[in-house]
Amino acid sequence: GQQVMQIPQYQHVQEGEDFTTYCNSSTTLSNIQWYKQRPGGHPVFLIQLVKSGEVKKQKRLTFQFGEAKKNSSLHITATQTTDVGTYFCAIRGDSNYQLIWGAGTKLIIKP
Amino acid sequence: EAQVTQNPRYLITVTGKKLTVTCSQNMNHEYMSWYRQDPGLGLRQIYYSMNVEVTDKGDVPEGYKVSRKEKRNFPLILESPSPNQTSLYFCASSLSPGLGYEQYFGPGTRLTVT
Repeated sequence: GQQVMQIPQYQHVQEGEDFTTYCNSSTTLSNIQWYKQRPGGHPVFLIQLVKSGEVKKQKRLTFQFGEAKKNSSLHITATQTTDVGTYFCAIRGDSNYQLIWGAGTKLIIKP
Repeated sequence: EAQVTQNPRYLITVTGKKLTVTCSQNMNHEYMSWYRQDPGLGLRQIYYSMNVEVTDKGDVPEGYKVSRKEKRNFPLILESPSPNQTSLYFCASSLSPGLGYEQYFGPGTRLTVT
């Protein structure tokens, strides 16, 4: 069935450094969604990408969808303590009504 | 306020004792879903519902039941809980993920089965 691999599992950064997480699929995706989960919280929708090569920005966050629609990335510039949490990608499963999630990348700010 | 509510938020129970986790949304969403979240495994879909009386299995349905008798409610039932069902559970709703709509999540229910 449909799968998505998300790397890395963890990323430790100093405040002010950049952060990137990647999601990869072996099949062409119709779309991909990104969510953020703060520690102790629930996932919150960030964005959806649909078009090949699409790039969307939300302040310091940049989301990209690969040209072949098989991969996507989320890049945070100059991380802040408010960015701490786990970032997930989600794709449509074999059924239109299923969602398959990446394992998440946990952003940790070093003290 | 648009929201998804779950109850209880925390539950400790013993093996074999039937339990129900309730989920309700006030956004008139057609689609609702249950997930479990375990460390390193991300979110795994248990069951989902496309509308009233229409449900289907997700990736990890064994040991769980659901029902959708009303649009707003989507309870998760564990008929005979076992320790491997200890997890963090999230309910979510959306207009329809098939069309790429965002999902709104409840606050989560942390279940421990001893």
